[in-house]
Amino acid sequence: RKEVEQDPGPFNVPEGATVAFNCTYSNSASQSFFWYRQDCRKEPKLLMSVYSSGNEDGRFTAQLNRASQYISLLIRDSKLSDSATYLCVVSNAGGTSYGKLTFGQGTILTVHP
Amino acid sequence: DTGVSQDPRHKITKRGQNVTFRCDPISEHNRLYWYRQTLGQGPEFLTYFQNEAQLEKSRLLSDRFSAERPKGSFSTLEIQRTEQGDSAMYLCASSLVGGEGYGYTFGSGTRLTVV
Repeated sequence: RKEVEQDPGPFNVPEGATVAFNCTYSNSASQSFFWYRQDCRKEPKLLMSVYSSGNEDGRFTAQLNRASQYISLLIRDSKLSDSATYLCVVSNAGGTSYGKLTFGQGTILTVHP
Repeated sequence: DTGVSQDPRHKITKRGQNVTFRCDPISEHNRLYWYRQTLGQGPEFLTYFQNEAQLEKSRLLSDRFSAERPKGSFSTLEIQRTEQGDSAMYLCASSLVGGEGYGYTFGSGTRLTVV
C-alpha cells in the first residue's frame, strides 16, 4: 500500500464547476499536511497547508480528518488557470524535528471553457 | 535571486555516462533535500542534508548515486554509469530547521534524459 493515495483522476470540469480531491495517508505519525500544485514540466509549488480545523484560501478549502487519515481539497468556481496536477503531501515534521515530504501520485485537473 | 537554483535545467546523456547536477539552496537554509520525479508520479525522496551532514538516504539511492554538500551550502548529485531508468526530473529543495512544517520551496529541477 502506498503511503499517500489520491483519487486517480483525471478530472475534466467546465469553468465555474466545483471539484473535490481526496487523499488518504497510512502513517498515523504524520503531523504536517499540504496540497501542492504542479504545472506541466514545472516544479511543485505549495498551494496550501492543511489543518485539522479546516482552512480556506479564496476559492480553495482544505480539510483534514486525523481519525480517518483523510485529506481533501475543494476548488470552487474553477478557472481555466486551475488546470494542473494537484499533489497531496504529508510529513512527520513538526517543531524542529526533520520529516521528509511524502507525495501522492497526483491528480490531473483540466478545466475547459 | 533568492530562490532555490538548480543547474543544468536539462541534461541529455548517453547510457553509461556520468552526470552531475548542482543545487544552490536559499542562502540561510541549513536543510537541503533531493527528490526524483518520473512521469505520472509524485516526487520521491532521495536524500537529505543538514548543513554538510547527509542524514538520510532513500533505498532509491543506489550505489551509482552520490550526493554531497561539502561546505553546507550548495549540493551536488552525481549519477555514475547512467541507465535509461534514471531518466527523470531531479528536484532540490531547502528549508530552515523547524521550517518543514510549512512545506519546502523547490528549485525548477534538472530534467535528465538517458538515451
